[in-house]
Amino acid sequence: KNQVEQSPQSLIILEGKNCTLQCNYTVSPFSNLRWYKQDTGRGPVSLTIMTFSENTKSNRRYTATLDADTKQSSLHITASQLSDSASYICVVTLMDSSYKLIFGSGTRLLVRP
Amino acid sequence: DTGVSQDPRHKITKRGQNVTFRCDPISEHNRLYWYRQTLGQGPEFLTYFQNEAQLEKSRLLSDRFSAERPKGSFSTLEIQRTEQGDSAMYLCASSTTSGSKNEQFFGPGTRLTVL
Repeated sequence: KNQVEQSPQSLIILEGKNCTLQCNYTVSPFSNLRWYKQDTGRGPVSLTIMTFSENTKSNRRYTATLDADTKQSSLHITASQLSDSASYICVVTLMDSSYKLIFGSGTRLLVRP
Repeated sequence: DTGVSQDPRHKITKRGQNVTFRCDPISEHNRLYWYRQTLGQGPEFLTYFQNEAQLEKSRLLSDRFSAERPKGSFSTLEIQRTEQGDSAMYLCASSTTSGSKNEQFFGPGTRLTVL
């Protein structure tokens, strides 16, 4: 079964601190892996995208890694800001004609002052 | 703003009523997807269109649900005889098959509450 699992389920950190979110997937065939940020009551917004051959991708304070052998990914947030408070969802694109997305359940991050 | 719009943003209805949601994708995007997201969970695929053709429907899409994209532009999702279990955020996304990564851009969602 195609699944994406994330940990932790929720996380509270102080402003300015770093954190790392984890994602394991069992999606096949695999096209790419994305991390999305979703603010409460809004649609997801893409942060990074990595294909099978890419190990790391950065976008400002966000750095994503991908190990296609172990089927694991992480999202590292550096120098967190209050506006980083959101759900971070790991998403794998199915490499078939549909290219539909398989979502994890997300990590809810709360950044406190 | 991703360029994908959804209407309404919120809908409260009584059990048994019919509701219809609309999605306007990015204009040059030929693919349109519908997802459903319940509280605390990630979105789940419901159905998708390429132009006006509905190419796949999830088993989550019971016979009370119907989606259309009549002219290959906007899409509607109708739920008949709503049930409390239909309460969720309904997300629409669009993409183009001409790109290599098929990135899907999401709308803000329609939050449905069935009383």
